[in-house]
Amino acid sequence: NAGVMQNPRHLVRRRGQEARLRCSPMKGHSHVYWYRQLPEEGLKFMVYLQKENIIDESGMPKERFSAEFPKEGPSILRIQQVVRGDSAAYFCASSPSQDNEQFFGPGTRLTVL
Amino acid sequence: GEDVEQSLFLSVREGDSSVINCTYTDSSSTYLYWYKQEPGAGLQLLTYIFSNMDMKQDQRLTVLLNKKDKHLSLRIADTQTGDSAIYFCAETSNTGTASKLTFGTGTRLQVTL
Repeated sequence: NAGVMQNPRHLVRRRGQEARLRCSPMKGHSHVYWYRQLPEEGLKFMVYLQKENIIDESGMPKERFSAEFPKEGPSILRIQQVVRGDSAAYFCASSPSQDNEQFFGPGTRLTVL
Repeated sequence: GEDVEQSLFLSVREGDSSVINCTYTDSSSTYLYWYKQEPGAGLQLLTYIFSNMDMKQDQRLTVLLNKKDKHLSLRIADTQTGDSAIYFCAETSNTGTASKLTFGTGTRLQVTL
């Protein structure tokens, strides 16, 4: 059983471009969480999704950020018109249910030039 | 709101014990976790403790929970150079429909020869 997969592992964008980060949860997991880790800081919750539904987006910035978890395919975190402050590591975690352990992917390190 | 705090840095000699401390504020926490993050990598769950427990031991790892003081500690016995990493404590409470993790700022453990 493969673990949580994220791609790309490293992403470089220029200011104003769009960034798309993908997360494939573990097999059998229908709950996905996105976290952001700024340099030298802990992880901050962004959004929690189940298949086709956003359950909690209380940690998402109000503008430019969106997330989806379609019926088929990976979960996508989309950042439009990136700015330098978006440079961070973005981690995805998945779990089989709300009360279960979250398994983390290796992260996508976004650098905005 | 929730807040989880840790000291930033700990240095120990190889073979000694390491004790990493964490304080949290959310009294409704149900599970408390310890994660390990090696440079450039994702998070690895080391151990967790349910909030109605005082102690949990797992090989070289001992977790102590003082719920009254909202204090959590991780003891690593016989610390090895491979234990050098950043250690995050995290808590979760099932509030409504989400069980998001709230992370501490991380403690960087340096193991010296």
